Amino acid sequence: AQSVAQPEDQVNVAEGNPLTVKCTYSVSGNPYLFWYVQYPNRGLQFLLKYITGDNLVKGSYGFEAEFNKSQTSFHLKKPSALVSDSALYFCAVRDRSTDKLIFGTGTRLQVFP
Amino acid sequence: DTGVSQNPRHKITKRGQNVTFRCDPISEHNRLYWYRQTLGQGPEFLTYFQNEAQLEKSRLLSDRFSAERPKGSFSTLEIQRTEQGDSAMYLCASSPGQGPSELFFGSGTQLSVL
Repeated sequence: AQSVAQPEDQVNVAEGNPLTVKCTYSVSGNPYLFWYVQYPNRGLQFLLKYITGDNLVKGSYGFEAEFNKSQTSFHLKKPSALVSDSALYFCAVRDRSTDKLIFGTGTRLQVFP
Repeated sequence: DTGVSQNPRHKITKRGQNVTFRCDPISEHNRLYWYRQTLGQGPEFLTYFQNEAQLEKSRLLSDRFSAERPKGSFSTLEIQRTEQGDSAMYLCASSPGQGPSELFFGSGTQLSVL
């Protein structure tokens, strides 16, 4: 069965420093991979997705993610964190056969001034 | 606003009562999804529709839960005989089709069962 793992419950980073939020996946075949962000009492906002092609995907708000097939990972990155990036981040995989979007448990990003 | 709309935003009910939530997807989207999210967890898939056809229901969805999308536009999610364990955020999302399309989420309905 397809699944997504986010090994860190929380990531703390100082403003201006680079950030990485980790995600690994398990799915048969080639996956579609997504990152979403959730602010308090809000729905999920789409950040970026990987479908095929270039392993480095660029998305909204300066975020990017690197797809690594051999390590089955899709880590979210940003070169310089902002306090306003503090939120809950979810990695998700969309299995091509079932078409459902399966989410990880989320990682809370805290950016300190 | 042409995003996904969910009503109500909040619902407080007593255990044993029935509740119904509504979702209006983005108008040209033919796929509609329902998810449930509890505090500290990722969204959990409940069910989804292709137009008016319900294509899949999660095995975790008890018989007290039912969803409809009668004309392939808006959808309703009903929970009968609510239990305290049903307290959660119920999220609706839509997408223009299968495959690599991302899902667009509404702001959710927060259900509290007392």
